[in-house]
Amino acid sequence: EIVMTQSPATLSVSPGERATLSCRASQSVSSNLAWYQQKPGQAPRLLIYGASTRATGIPARFSGSGSGTEFTLTISSLQSEDFAVYYCQQYNNWPTFGQGTKVEIK
Amino acid sequence: QVQLQESGPGLVKPSETLSLTCAVSGYSISSGYYWGWIRQPPGKGLEWIGSIYHSGSTYYNPSLKSRVTISVDTSKNQFSLKLSSVTAADTAVYYCARHRGSGYDRPFDYWGQGTLVTVSS
Repeated sequence: EIVMTQSPATLSVSPGERATLSCRASQSVSSNLAWYQQKPGQAPRLLIYGASTRATGIPARFSGSGSGTEFTLTISSLQSEDFAVYYCQQYNNWPTFGQGTKVEIK
Repeated sequence: QVQLQESGPGLVKPSETLSLTCAVSGYSISSGYYWGWIRQPPGKGLEWIGSIYHSGSTYYNPSLKSRVTISVDTSKNQFSLKLSSVTAADTAVYYCARHRGSGYDRPFDYWGQGTLVTVSS
């Protein structure tokens, strides 16, 4: 099993500021990495796949980078609707998810 | 627009079998893609359960494989999950979703709204 570790567990950010979320894989997953956003009571929404490709309809303020075992999701200027929990997921092997990073209002 | 909708009992007794169905609209399962089940215990993270292709080919999470069966009914455009010998640890919101691309080793691009299943006597 490939274990995905996200940090930090909680990130406190002011609206308009930049948020940087990290995800580490226990072994290389190449670029087979996705990011999801989940709001309370809702299903996850695909933001990024292939480590850096935005899914359809995702604003340009969301960007992903990395390969191998280290990945980053950056939200360039946080909007009110961006406060949520973010999960990374590898699909190089059978799918596994990180434990999530909660982005909260500072 | 692809839409997925989970249905099934919201309460299951310990040791019994959990059964859920995912109805797909806006896309024919027979046209391709893998279709999967993911669960999320209350307040916790996401766990992939397994996925199926329209041909019936399946892949399961090794930790759940002995208890999971996923099947597909292309005539009804739906797929189903059975999880046997459930315990309280199986209490979760269960989501069905579509893999983006023709493989189970792909991210999930369309999700159902999820259904809470509680295991309790």
